[in-house]
Amino acid sequence: NAGVTQTPKFRILKIGQSMTLQCTQDMNHNYMYWYRQDPGMGLKLIYYSVGAGITDKGEVPNGYNVSRSTTEDFPLRLELAAPSQTSVYFCASRGTPRTYEQYFGPGTRLTVT
Amino acid sequence: DAKTTQPNSMESNEEEPVHLPCNHSTISGTDYIHWYRQLPSQGPEYVIHGLTSNVNNRMASLAIAEDRKSSTLILHRATLRDAAVYYCIRVGGSQGNLIFGKGTKLSVKP
Repeated sequence: NAGVTQTPKFRILKIGQSMTLQCTQDMNHNYMYWYRQDPGMGLKLIYYSVGAGITDKGEVPNGYNVSRSTTEDFPLRLELAAPSQTSVYFCASRGTPRTYEQYFGPGTRLTVT
Repeated sequence: DAKTTQPNSMESNEEEPVHLPCNHSTISGTDYIHWYRQLPSQGPEYVIHGLTSNVNNRMASLAIAEDRKSSTLILHRATLRDAAVYYCIRVGGSQGNLIFGKGTKLSVKP
């Protein structure tokens, strides 16, 4: 099992550009999450999904969009990138409502200049 | 909004026990207490969780105060590989969203 994989590992964007961060899990987990982590801070939830076709906003959703067309994939879309979106982005998944452990991917380091 | 409070940093010597404290005085009676850790340049990884009773697993032990206002993560013998940021976390809502604070940065000296 690869667990949770994220691509790309690093990316530099210019202000106003768009991109999609990819996240895939091979554990057949229903729950998936996107977090961002700014330097020296804890993670903040951007969006989450409880299953294919169902997504909802987290604490900091502005400037982002998500979709969940399959159980495995949960891409995060950045439209009109801004310097404030410079951060490390982590995707995570969880199996069922009764399991609490979230499995995190290795992260994508994004710089917007 | 219930918060958790942890010291910013702690130091330990290799092969000695480490006690990482967390204050969660406003946690609700049904919220589990979770601990994750984040090694340098990696995503967080689950360590342990509990509700009322003390818990043990292969990584650590979790001691929860009787009034549930605080808890302590115990690493029985710290190794250099345990150097990380340790987060004491409450779970938000029925969707299992993790609410992170800044955590405690643990340094382990050889």
